[in-house]
Amino acid sequence: GESVGLHLPTLSVQEGDNSIINCAYSNSASDYFIWYKQESGKGPQFIIDIRSNMDKRQGQRVTVLLNKTVKHLSLQIAATQPGDSAVYFCAESPLGGKLIFGQGTELSVKP
Amino acid sequence: NAGVMQNPRHLVRRRGQEARLRCSPMKGHSHVYWYRQLPEEGLKFMVYLQKENIIDESGMPKERFSAEFPKEGPSILRIQQVVRGDSAAYFCASSLAILEEQFFGPGTRLTVL
Repeated sequence: GESVGLHLPTLSVQEGDNSIINCAYSNSASDYFIWYKQESGKGPQFIIDIRSNMDKRQGQRVTVLLNKTVKHLSLQIAATQPGDSAVYFCAESPLGGKLIFGQGTELSVKP
Repeated sequence: NAGVMQNPRHLVRRRGQEARLRCSPMKGHSHVYWYRQLPEEGLKFMVYLQKENIIDESGMPKERFSAEFPKEGPSILRIQQVVRGDSAAYFCASSLAILEEQFFGPGTRLTVL
């Protein structure tokens, strides 16, 4: 069943450190994965995506790793900044079209 | 190029009233998705539409909810006879094609009194 009102997992890091946010996905048939960042009161903002034929993809200060064997996705943020503070969601697309979102992790960056 | 637009941003309804949420996709995008987000939860898929067609409505409640994306004009998510449990943030996203990046709007926050 759905969980209502539970606190999100929280990751607290020092400014300038690297952050790693993990996500387990559920459907082995998923072939497209995305990380989104959501700030309070706003819609999700695309960070980076990866397709199932890859196991690593890099963007500006971010890297996504995909381990299909254990159905695990991670987001690495280099030199974390206060502006990176937000909730981060992973999402999978098992059939094309709809996205299935994970629970989310709240990243808090201490100056 | 304007992003995905949603209106209203905030909507207050009393129990039993109807709520209409509008979404204008990014220019050139013909794929529209609606998601619902309860406090401190992830987004839950509701429906996927492509101009004039519902492609996937597996996340839509069976009753009171409907969605459309007409040939002209925005996509509409309609909730009839709202109940308190409908209070949530409703997000619309659009994409250029399937399996392409989905761009999200700012959401409509529905409060049912």
